Amino acid sequence: SQKIEQNSEALNIQEGKTATLTCNYTNYSPAYLQWYRQDPGRGPVFLLLIRENEKEKRKERLKVTFDTTLKQSLFHITASQPADSATYLCALDMEYGNKLVFGAGTILRVKS
Amino acid sequence: NAGVTQTPKFRVLKTGQSMTLLCAQDMNHEYMYWYRQDPGMGLRLIHYSVGEGTTAKGEVPDGYNVSRLKKQNFLLGLESAAPSQTSVYFCASTVKELMNTEAFFGQGTRLTVV
Repeated sequence: SQKIEQNSEALNIQEGKTATLTCNYTNYSPAYLQWYRQDPGRGPVFLLLIRENEKEKRKERLKVTFDTTLKQSLFHITASQPADSATYLCALDMEYGNKLVFGAGTILRVKS
Repeated sequence: NAGVTQTPKFRVLKTGQSMTLLCAQDMNHEYMYWYRQDPGMGLRLIHYSVGEGTTAKGEVPDGYNVSRLKKQNFLLGLESAAPSQTSVYFCASTVKELMNTEAFFGQGTRLTVV
């Protein structure tokens, strides 16, 4: 069956540093991959989408890479701020885009 | 524009009771989803719908039923609640062309079964 793995341990970094989160998947070849942010007590909010034919995507301080050979996506936040502290989820499309399946998420804590 | 609205926000049920969670979206989206979120397990897909009148099973459908009688509403039913169904439930919706758009989520329903 398909499996999506994200760093199970929380990532603690200092303000101003770059945070890098990992999403690995097995037994599937998604057409695209999405990243979401979730704050406590709230629903996930979309951040970025990257397609299988795209190596890298950027949006302000965010950067996503997608390596279909390694079956891995990396999510980077540069110049991190305490306000970036949240849980970050990756999601893959399945069944030709009909299903959106999520990883368990990685907690990011940015300390000032 | 309200987006995706879930009702209720909180609920406590006794084992064996039934209830229905309502999800309403005002964005004219074709696709709608129900997820449950438990600590350490992320979002798990319960059921989903690709259009009015259609439903399909996700990863963890047992113990739940759904209906999509109107395009804007997606109902999740628990016929006989069990403590294992204690969770936070999220509804989401997307436009038909999922490959190019994001999912919009509701604020969640926190359900406790005692």
